[in-house]
Amino acid sequence: EAQVTQNPRYLITVTGKKLTVTCSQNMNHEYMSWYRQDPGLGLRQIYYSMNVEVTDKGDVPEGYKVSRKEKRNFPLILESPSPNQTSLYFCASSLEIGDRLHFGNGTRLTVT
Amino acid sequence: SQQGEEDPQALSIQEGENATMNCSYKTSINNLQWYRQNSGRGLVHLILIRSNEREKHSGRLRVTLDTSKKSSSLLITASRAADTASYFCATQDPGDMRFGAGTRLTVKP
Repeated sequence: EAQVTQNPRYLITVTGKKLTVTCSQNMNHEYMSWYRQDPGLGLRQIYYSMNVEVTDKGDVPEGYKVSRKEKRNFPLILESPSPNQTSLYFCASSLEIGDRLHFGNGTRLTVT
Repeated sequence: SQQGEEDPQALSIQEGENATMNCSYKTSINNLQWYRQNSGRGLVHLILIRSNEREKHSGRLRVTLDTSKKSSSLLITASRAADTASYFCATQDPGDMRFGAGTRLTVKP
């Protein structure tokens, strides 16, 4: 089944403890992206990647890192999480930029 | 910054009625897409309309695009309780996809 898989679905952590949210797609998509969703603000893009080894900042990249070493994986790394990074995170992919996006089921992160 | 702005922010209708949501955007686009999100879940793609298209249909969905006004509308006809969800428009800026804040649609049985 074609899908975007995010893990974990829920994560509670403490300030400063490094964490990684994984994202994997099995559709051979070139474009992958991370969004965060906060009430009243819609989806804001964190980082995106047009292809392997190519990543670019979105609108809210501060406090986040990504890597794209393989086409299928696009992990989101929070080196030192802070409470303002408490949010619902979505990974998405598409065949290429501008095509329909396929979303993962989301990761609800709470940083205390 | 957000590219698309949906209007209204919230809409409540009775089952069987039509629902219309609007999206305005700021810059030139290659295409505009509409997505649906059930509470807390991942977004699901509904329809894509290219900049050289004016109208597109998919089942009970009708999307229009007016590039001169930089706006689009999504019409859901004969709504059902199962259409209750948030609806987002998305546009492609050079290099990335940007979403609006969404319209929360409630369809009452």
